[in-house]
Amino acid sequence: SQTIHQWPATLVQPVGSPLSLECTVEGTSNPNLYWYRQAAGRGLQLLFYSVGIGQISSEVPQNLSASRPQDRQFILSSKKLLLSDSGFYLCAWSVKGGSGNTIYFGEGSWLTVV
Amino acid sequence: AQSVTQLDSQVPVFEEAPVELRCNYSSSVSVYLFWYVQYPNQGLQLLLKYLSGSTLVKGINGFEAEFNKSQTSFHLRKPSVHISDTAEYFCAVSGGVDYKLSFGAGTTVTVRA
Repeated sequence: SQTIHQWPATLVQPVGSPLSLECTVEGTSNPNLYWYRQAAGRGLQLLFYSVGIGQISSEVPQNLSASRPQDRQFILSSKKLLLSDSGFYLCAWSVKGGSGNTIYFGEGSWLTVV
Repeated sequence: AQSVTQLDSQVPVFEEAPVELRCNYSSSVSVYLFWYVQYPNQGLQLLLKYLSGSTLVKGINGFEAEFNKSQTSFHLRKPSVHISDTAEYFCAVSGGVDYKLSFGAGTTVTVRA
């Protein structure tokens, strides 16, 4: 069966520091990969999605970037964090062309920028 | 493009009472519809989905939803809730032609004894 892991689960970072959140998917190949952000009291915002290695689409302009160095690895980064980057970050995956694009989520990472 | 409106931001309900969470969508193409649940400090878990066929969809934990094309709705129901159903619930829609889901703003369900 497929599983998705992301880490770290919790992170407290000072303003201006770098960020790296990592996500890996197991049990499938060539998945679509996603990074979502959930700010306090708000819904889910799609930040990035990727359909293959090195292929990244950004949904909103922001202080963050994403990379996909391997088929099942997806990394969310920032060179200098802002207070507004605080939130709950969710990695997710889906099967290409399958099941109406059902998306499966990881456990999430809490980021607090102080 | 597709979009979703969840009509209730908060729904308080007593234990063993029924609950209905309302979701309306807009789309210019055929859609796939989903309900996800998020327990506190966790990721989202798929409750159920409508892809095609029967308009009444049954999911996990006793939830069901009905797809109504004429009313562009996909309301979620449970006949008798438990304390453990306290969570946030998200409705989502996909047009199927790209790789993305559009999510509603979420409905917080609080079940009281």
